[in-house]
Amino acid sequence: GAGVSQSPSNKVTEKGKDVELRCDPISGHTALYWYRQRLGQGLEFLIYFQGNSAPDKSGLPSDRFSAERTGESVSTLTIQRTQQEDSAVYLCASSFGTGVNNQPQHFGDGTRLSIL
Amino acid sequence: DQQVKQNSPSLSVQEGRISILNCDYTNSMFDYFLWYKKYPAEGPTFLISISSIKDKNEDGRFTVFLNKSAKHLSLHIVPSQPGDSAVYFCAAKYRGYQKVTFGIGTKLQVIP
Repeated sequence: GAGVSQSPSNKVTEKGKDVELRCDPISGHTALYWYRQRLGQGLEFLIYFQGNSAPDKSGLPSDRFSAERTGESVSTLTIQRTQQEDSAVYLCASSFGTGVNNQPQHFGDGTRLSIL
Repeated sequence: DQQVKQNSPSLSVQEGRISILNCDYTNSMFDYFLWYKKYPAEGPTFLISISSIKDKNEDGRFTVFLNKSAKHLSLHIVPSQPGDSAVYFCAAKYRGYQKVTFGIGTKLQVIP
């Protein structure tokens, strides 16, 4: 497909379990972002990858959250020891990011994570 | 600290009328602004953008206005259509930095 793909689309898990969310960006997009949207709130920036540069992790809410990206391909967001406040829709976006050009982000449909 | 603010959580407009969605920002370093539209259970889709060197950008039924001195921008949709019913997010970034800051969104309902 041509768009950003995220999996799973829905995930229900018990408090304390680890979860891994996956994002396949649009081919050729060097920039990849993870956001979180809690119920009734806006998009909260989590982390940003740009090519082979060190990621901007300034939005990660705690050390239970981590993300990886290999080159300009797939990214995974991992949440360890999940808590109920982690329940949210996790959105991934990608763009042609060059640091100076203003390129709009293309979003996936998100993973709806529910912690019981 | 909400750097991009959308103070109206919802807006209802009659079909055919103008919809005006407002956004305020606090960071004077922002120099590029975007609007995204989001339907339920889907990711946001890019709608229109504006650079700080302009005060207006138009694309079909959608026009974005930027007032830098007031740190305010607005999205005008005219004429509004029922298919425009969605949540609209205002977003901002600054030169050389790809991180985008989003507002909390405004839910627009266009009534047929």
